[in-house]
Amino acid sequence: QVQLVQSGAEVKKPGASVKVSCKASGYTFTSYGISWVRQAPGQGLEWMGWISAYNGNTNYAQKLQGRVTMTTDTSTSTAYMELRSLRSDDTAVYYCARGGGDTAVAYWGQGTLVTVSS
Amino acid sequence: EIVMTQSPATLSVSPGERATLSCRASQSVSSNLAWYQQKPGQAPRLLIYGASTRATGIPARFSGSGSGTEFTLTISSLQSEDFAVYYCQQYNNWPSWAFGQGTKVEIK
Repeated sequence: QVQLVQSGAEVKKPGASVKVSCKASGYTFTSYGISWVRQAPGQGLEWMGWISAYNGNTNYAQKLQGRVTMTTDTSTSTAYMELRSLRSDDTAVYYCARGGGDTAVAYWGQGTLVTVSS
Repeated sequence: EIVMTQSPATLSVSPGERATLSCRASQSVSSNLAWYQQKPGQAPRLLIYGASTRATGIPARFSGSGSGTEFTLTISSLQSEDFAVYYCQQYNNWPSWAFGQGTKVEIK
């Protein structure tokens, strides 16, 4: 069965960076992209971007351009999302999800809470 | 940038009653519209894609309709497990997705 398992919760100081991992199993990793979506406490869902696990092509949300980098390691079927220059409003649960583009998303990771606090 | 607007923000419904949730897009998204259910502490769960196709394992009491800019999610007879927050999402305007702000369905 398809599974996306994310890394554990993180606490970071403002200005620091965080890197969240998402390990995929149960399917051919390079056949699907990975999207990242975040959710601030009590708020809605915000799309952050997407990476092709096939060729590494990326699309990022305009508001995060320059601060976010998405990568994959096909040898371990793992996707990564790094967010730099963290601010308090980056405090959120970060989700990875299989897919992107012109399809809806049926498979999600369990979420990773990133807390940014001094 | 496409903006998705959901209404109402909160819907109070008694178990067994019908719930109707609305989602409006700021420009046409064709039928590239999905609905998700989210419960506290859980990841979103895909209910509907292509505006009206139920995802695998989704009960028939969930139905979606609409195209272009106006969409509806209907839950025909609310069960206790259906009280949650529901989000619509457009995936027509790639490379960008947009989610609505959510509708909370609560027990009346």
